[in-house]
Amino acid sequence: AQSVTQLDSQVPVFEEAPVELRCNYSSSVSVYLFWYVQYPNQGLQLLLKYLSGSTLVKGINGFEAEFNKSQTSFHLRKPSVHISDTAEYFCVLRYSSASKIIFGSGTRLSIRP
Amino acid sequence: KAGVTQTPRYLIKTRGQQVTLSCSPISGHRSVSWYQQTPGQGLQFLFEYFSETQRNKGNFPGRFSGRQFSNSRSEMNVSTLELGDSALYLCASSSEGTGANVLTFGAGSRLTVL
Repeated sequence: AQSVTQLDSQVPVFEEAPVELRCNYSSSVSVYLFWYVQYPNQGLQLLLKYLSGSTLVKGINGFEAEFNKSQTSFHLRKPSVHISDTAEYFCVLRYSSASKIIFGSGTRLSIRP
Repeated sequence: KAGVTQTPRYLIKTRGQQVTLSCSPISGHRSVSWYQQTPGQGLQFLFEYFSETQRNKGNFPGRFSGRQFSNSRSEMNVSTLELGDSALYLCASSSEGTGANVLTFGAGSRLTVL
């Protein structure tokens, strides 16, 4: 069965420090992987996506992620975080052959000044 | 380009009542999908509509239903509300609804059941 695991429910970091939010997936078929961010009282906003091709994907707000097929991971990174990055981040898996979707449980990123 | 609009943003109902939520997708998008977000269960897929037809359905009871109109606007209905239905309901639209399509989410409708 397909699944998405976000290994950390909360990640506290200091402002301007680097951060990595971890995501592992399990699937026996081809999938597409996404990272979305949710700010308080808002919907989800796309950060970046991996569909195919280059395994290093760059997104908005300085975020990037690396698709690693052998380790079935899609970790999200940012070299220097800002207070405005405080939000919840979701790793999302979609099947290439259907429109169903699986969400990770979310990682709450809190930035300390 | 206007985003995905969900109405109402907040509503309070009592057990046993029913509720209808509305979602207006981005112009030109034909796929609308609905999700329930709760602290305990996280984000869960409810159903997806494409060109007025339900294409996929999540694992929710029959009290949860939806429909899509010819202009792609969608509504979801929850009948006989239970306390556990309290949640943020999100809708998202995409052009074709395939796995590679980016989903654009609305801000959500927060339902509180008393």
